[in-house]
Amino acid sequence: GAGVSQSPSNKVTEKGKDVELRCDPISGHTALYWYRQSLGQGLEFLIYFQGNSAPDKSGLPSDRFSAERTGGSVSTLTIQRTQQEDSAVYLCASSLGVGPEAFFGQGTRLTVV
Amino acid sequence: AQSVTQLDSQVPVFEEAPVELRCNYSSSVSVYLFWYVQYPNQGLQLLLKYLSGSTLVKGINGFEAEFNKSQTSFHLRKPSVHISDTAEYFCAVSDVDTGRRALTFGSGTRLQVQP
Repeated sequence: GAGVSQSPSNKVTEKGKDVELRCDPISGHTALYWYRQSLGQGLEFLIYFQGNSAPDKSGLPSDRFSAERTGGSVSTLTIQRTQQEDSAVYLCASSLGVGPEAFFGQGTRLTVV
Repeated sequence: AQSVTQLDSQVPVFEEAPVELRCNYSSSVSVYLFWYVQYPNQGLQLLLKYLSGSTLVKGINGFEAEFNKSQTSFHLRKPSVHISDTAEYFCAVSDVDTGRRALTFGSGTRLQVQP
């Protein structure tokens, strides 16, 4: 596609429910990143996929967070047993190979009530 | 470990005035440097980047930045701002040597352009 696509754009969920956020990277981009943007914490790195290598999960805040990338393309970020502090905008980005320039999607705004 | 400091959380400025948004970083390895802009309810858009070579880099929308290695700074400048430049600006770095391309961001600077 023309850019990084994320869905849904907005998600409201009840505390304790699981949510899945989807990211469709730019076609041909082998690297994919998830970031979280919240008022208190700013922009935080969550996880990074590069080709077929093991993902860099060093930014995931707890074991309730997980992500997968199927077929080297689409990625899903899953948050289990959501808490109110998970409320944030979740941003996905992709880049070409090991190039440093990352292109961001519009984000998914998650609200946990 | 890396860190990025944007000293000014908000910068008010009048239309057509010059502006400088400050960014300082700390890193034990060589870094790439970036400025991103975020308009309300939008994702991040790359304004400009420093990878190597000339320390003065030019980006979109008339912005430029200068990499100063000795001062570990990468300040963003524009000689004459427009109302449409009102947005949040983020400075970011990533590793050169380790190949880890995840970005470390500053806390952002909100540029408010007034008529």
